[in-house]
Amino acid sequence: AQRVTQPEKLLSVFKGAPVELKCNYSYSGSPELFWYVQYSRQRLQLLLRHISRESIKGFTADLNKGETSFHLKKPFAQEEDSAMYYCALSGLTGGGNKLTFGTGTQLKVEL
Amino acid sequence: SQTIHQWPATLVQPVGSPLSLECTVEGTSNPNLYWYRQAAGRGLQLLFYSIGIGQISSEVPQNLSASRPQDRQFILSSKKLLLSDSGFYLCAWSVTGRGTEAFFGQGTRLTVV
Repeated sequence: AQRVTQPEKLLSVFKGAPVELKCNYSYSGSPELFWYVQYSRQRLQLLLRHISRESIKGFTADLNKGETSFHLKKPFAQEEDSAMYYCALSGLTGGGNKLTFGTGTQLKVEL
Repeated sequence: SQTIHQWPATLVQPVGSPLSLECTVEGTSNPNLYWYRQAAGRGLQLLFYSIGIGQISSEVPQNLSASRPQDRQFILSSKKLLLSDSGFYLCAWSVTGRGTEAFFGQGTRLTVV
C-alpha cells in the first residue's frame, strides 16, 4: 500500500521567514515523490518532483529514504507563496502509475 | 498539446438521482486516468484510477463507480446519489513512467440536495 501523510493542515509564517512543509510516505517499492500546488482559483499543478532535484520558485525538497520523508522548504517566504500544497506519491502498478496525495497543507504568508 | 476536459463545472442533483461526470483527454494515448474527491481536511482522496480501457481500480468503497469506455474517456457514475456524495471531483491524467507529471481538469462541484 502507498500512503502520504502531511501532518499540518495550516502553516502560517511571516514574509521573509523560512518555510518547511512536512511530508512522510509509506511505500514498499522505489518511491516517486512530488509536490503539487493550488493557488486560489487555479487548477492543481506540479511544483516539483524529486527525480529532477530542481528548485522551483525558491522551493526545494529532498527525498530522505531513511526517514521516508520529502519535506518542502524555502528559505524566505513570499506573499505569493500562499496556497494549498499537496505532497504526492506515484507508484508503478500493473503497467501504469497510481498517484496518491496527502491531505494538503494550507500555507499562509503574512506581511 | 495535451488538454483535459471535465464537465460540468457545477451540478446540483436531488438525492436518489443518477450521476454521470465525464472527463476526456486530448493529445495523448493510453494515459493513466484518475478520479479524486477534494474535501477540506481530507485533501485529495483517490477514488478510481485506470491504466487502460476497461481497467478500473477502486480505492475506497462508496456509492460511485467509474468506467473507461474509450482510451481517453473516463466517466464517474452513480445510480442513486446520497447526500454524502456532495463534494468537489477532480479528473486527472498522466503518462506511465518515472517522474511523470499529472494534469488536472477544472473540477466539478457536486451538490446533492
